[in-house]
Amino acid sequence: ETGVTQTPRHLVMGMTNKKSLKCEQHLGHNAMYWYKQSAKKPLELMFVYSLEERVENNSVPSRFSPECPNSSHLFLHLHTLQPEDSALYLCASSPTLADSYEQYFGPGTRLTVT
Amino acid sequence: RKEVEQDPGPFNVPEGATVAFNCTYSNSASQSFFWYRQDCRKEPKLLMSVYSSGNEDGRFTAQLNRASQYISLLIRDSKLSDSATYLCVVTLGGFKTIFGAGTRLFVKA
Repeated sequence: ETGVTQTPRHLVMGMTNKKSLKCEQHLGHNAMYWYKQSAKKPLELMFVYSLEERVENNSVPSRFSPECPNSSHLFLHLHTLQPEDSALYLCASSPTLADSYEQYFGPGTRLTVT
Repeated sequence: RKEVEQDPGPFNVPEGATVAFNCTYSNSASQSFFWYRQDCRKEPKLLMSVYSSGNEDGRFTAQLNRASQYISLLIRDSKLSDSATYLCVVTLGGFKTIFGAGTRLFVKA
């Protein structure tokens, strides 16, 4: 059973809505990640946090805003999204940044923007 | 050129078959290599590490060829439960982890 949980599992939102995705890891890890997975494309790394400090922001549009209040929780705040933002959003954690190859993923939030 | 390239497949094989996937990477400074598995509508999970000397885990064998910059995964005696997408993963050091788009495998009875 995964030690990383994500809510909601499915989300449909209009382009003018504001919503948030939540991720929680119960593994005692120090690093957390947000990925976007679109059909037939590689996982796209969006944000990386280590001990609540953001260490990577991969040219992600400002309509995606991450928040990491503590090392166990990670949020992705969404506002004024576009239809092309529809995808599976995966959260992951690893023991440390140096162990980024050993990532434990949550089940993802399937987002549809209408 | 993509940083990590995989044949998307799908590979359709009968139970008991041997199937091999290849993956190429473009950055010669790549440090570590892995295979992840992603079942349909599920999250990716680490399958195994890949070493130059080869790595075997039951029916699965992974191999790295640094000179040619490719990684392989061999599955022997395929089972229905092996049906999944296999992701090739390369790290560049630190948190720079690059995922391939995956190769889909369908094992049929």
